[in-house]
Amino acid sequence: DGGITQSPKYLFRKEGQNVTLSCEQNLNHDAMYWYRQDPGQGLRLIYYSQIVNDFQKGDIAEGYSVSREKKESFPLTVTSAQKNPTAFYLCASSRSPAGGLGNQPQHFGDGTRLSIL
Amino acid sequence: EDQVTQSPEALRLQEGESSSLNCSYTVSGLRGLFWYRQDPGKGPEFLFTLYSAGEEKEKERLKATLTKKESFLHITAPKPEDSATYLCAVQLFSGYALNFGKGTSLLVTP
Repeated sequence: DGGITQSPKYLFRKEGQNVTLSCEQNLNHDAMYWYRQDPGQGLRLIYYSQIVNDFQKGDIAEGYSVSREKKESFPLTVTSAQKNPTAFYLCASSRSPAGGLGNQPQHFGDGTRLSIL
Repeated sequence: EDQVTQSPEALRLQEGESSSLNCSYTVSGLRGLFWYRQDPGKGPEFLFTLYSAGEEKEKERLKATLTKKESFLHITAPKPEDSATYLCAVQLFSGYALNFGKGTSLLVTP
């Protein structure tokens, strides 16, 4: 079955440590996204990528980094500069919204819950 | 300032008691409005996309409608398995990311 796989499901970070969250999709989607979800708040966009080797900052990119070396993979690194990393992180993908294909729904993985040790 | 506001924050219904969830938006240049369902500890599951005022879409007990300023998600004769958080999001012509509301937490009791 096609879908989006996020791993690990739970992750703990120590002070000063960088951690990387994995996101893999086999939907053949061009676009991929990372969101952060906090209790009582809507999903907030961290980074997105419309094509391999290209990505743009979202609303809350500070303290995070990404790479897009392969179409199916979009890992997110939470760096030590992110002072409040505890949250539920969601990865999504969609067909490219460019080229007149706007309104493509984003499909989500089941998230990674990150906590501070 | 919130661009997408969902109400109520929480809703408790008896099984079979129909109701509506509201999503109002204060954006211009709406490319599309999306409804998702999210179960605890899971990622959002896509339900509907609405593109223009007057449009309606249905799926089982759910019907989504769109006006120029808001969208409604009508739930007819809900069952306990409809309990979840329902999220609304808008996409603008100026970008590709989704702007989400905070969601409505729905509990349907037997």
